[in-house]
Amino acid sequence: SYVLTQPPSVSVAPGKTATITCGANDIGSKSVHWYQQKPGQAPVLVIYLDSDRPSGIPERFSGSNSGNTATLTVSRVEAGDEADYYCQVWDSSSGHPFGSGTKVTVL
Amino acid sequence: EVQLVESGGGLVQPGGSLRLSCAASGFTFSNYWMNWVRQAPGKGLEWVANIKQDGSEHFYVDSVKGRFTISRDNAKTSLYLQMNSLRVEDTAVYYCARDGAAAMGLDFWGQGTLVTVSS
Repeated sequence: SYVLTQPPSVSVAPGKTATITCGANDIGSKSVHWYQQKPGQAPVLVIYLDSDRPSGIPERFSGSNSGNTATLTVSRVEAGDEADYYCQVWDSSSGHPFGSGTKVTVL
Repeated sequence: EVQLVESGGGLVQPGGSLRLSCAASGFTFSNYWMNWVRQAPGKGLEWVANIKQDGSEHFYVDSVKGRFTISRDNAKTSLYLQMNSLRVEDTAVYYCARDGAAAMGLDFWGQGTLVTVSS
């Protein structure tokens, strides 16, 4: 199976930049999506196909993917960005696994 | 407005069966792959299964192969998950999610239904 590794937690001050990584072998050759999940709510897609934003998602959310690491970047962090974030890949051999998740805390 | 509404969750004993349903509305259901994703209490997301638009292809995570069956009824715009031989570790909130066009991620999700496997 294809394992995606994320840091368990990231802490960031308001107005600063949060960087969340998703590591896996040759992940740069796959499509990566990112989801935000707040407590008691369903996940929301925030980045698809490595770096595209669905309508309604602020420009502060951006993504990149190369080599063995995909990255979600949240600029000018706000209190409302506090949530769990998950990466996901489209992999023909192992389905669509999710990363282990990263809890973002706004200080 | 796209809506996905899951139902069928509940308490079941180990070894038992349960059938989840997801009623879809607000979009042309037959045009999209559909998925089930689960989340155990306090844990992360786990993709469970998906099914092609016409039901001709479906894929599962290894841990449910041979026990769970995903299906759909395009006339009723509904997605299903038949779960047999349930285990304690299958306890989770089960979400129905739509696959965006051209593998663009899971763009709409239901609110989930809780399945508890316990004696």
